Amino acid sequence: KAGVTQTPRYLIKTRGQQVTLSCSPISGHRSVSWYQQTPGQGLQFLFEYFSETQRNKGNFPGRFSGRQFSNSRSEMNVSTLELGDSALYLCASSPEPAPATNEKLFFGSGTQLSVL
Amino acid sequence: GESVGLHLPTLSVQEGDNSIINCAYSNSASDYFIWYKQESGKGPQFIIDIRSNMDKRQGQRVTVLLNKTVKHLSLQIAATQPGDSAVYFCAAQTGANNLFFGTGTRLTVIP
Repeated sequence: KAGVTQTPRYLIKTRGQQVTLSCSPISGHRSVSWYQQTPGQGLQFLFEYFSETQRNKGNFPGRFSGRQFSNSRSEMNVSTLELGDSALYLCASSPEPAPATNEKLFFGSGTQLSVL
Repeated sequence: GESVGLHLPTLSVQEGDNSIINCAYSNSASDYFIWYKQESGKGPQFIIDIRSNMDKRQGQRVTVLLNKTVKHLSLQIAATQPGDSAVYFCAAQTGANNLFFGTGTRLTVIP
């Protein structure tokens, strides 16, 4: 079974631009969560989607948004990029939404975003 | 709000020794905890979990200890191997909320 796939693997943008990251969950998984990982802050929860609906949202500004499609694939978008948005963005999928199956949360390898 | 922190950002151990990675959490209502391992260039991978009704759980070469009184948990790795070199995260969950992660401890195994 294929794992969680995130594209692109690396991305370089400049301040003020916007970016869209993609995540394909493990087949059969209906919940997708997004996390931002930085050296100083660790992993911070962005949002979770299940059945095309956002279930939970972390403490990030409205520039960070996401969506989920009927095939469970998810995208996240960051508008008006800032230097501080440089981070590894991780997507994780699970069969059901939190908290039921946090132990079955599988992560992708992430998209490394650099904002110049 | 919830916060989860690891005591040491880095830890170096000799191959064959036991490793202990510590983590503290802030919310006494946290009821579920997970340890993840993240190797370079990869996403975090599940190692072991423990619920708040337990104080110890063992896996293959790993043991998690939970002390709810002081809101502390630890991950013990027996006979540490070079393949154990990675960043280790603890994460805590409270009720129906999503996981809160610590900042990670980088474990380096010295051959």
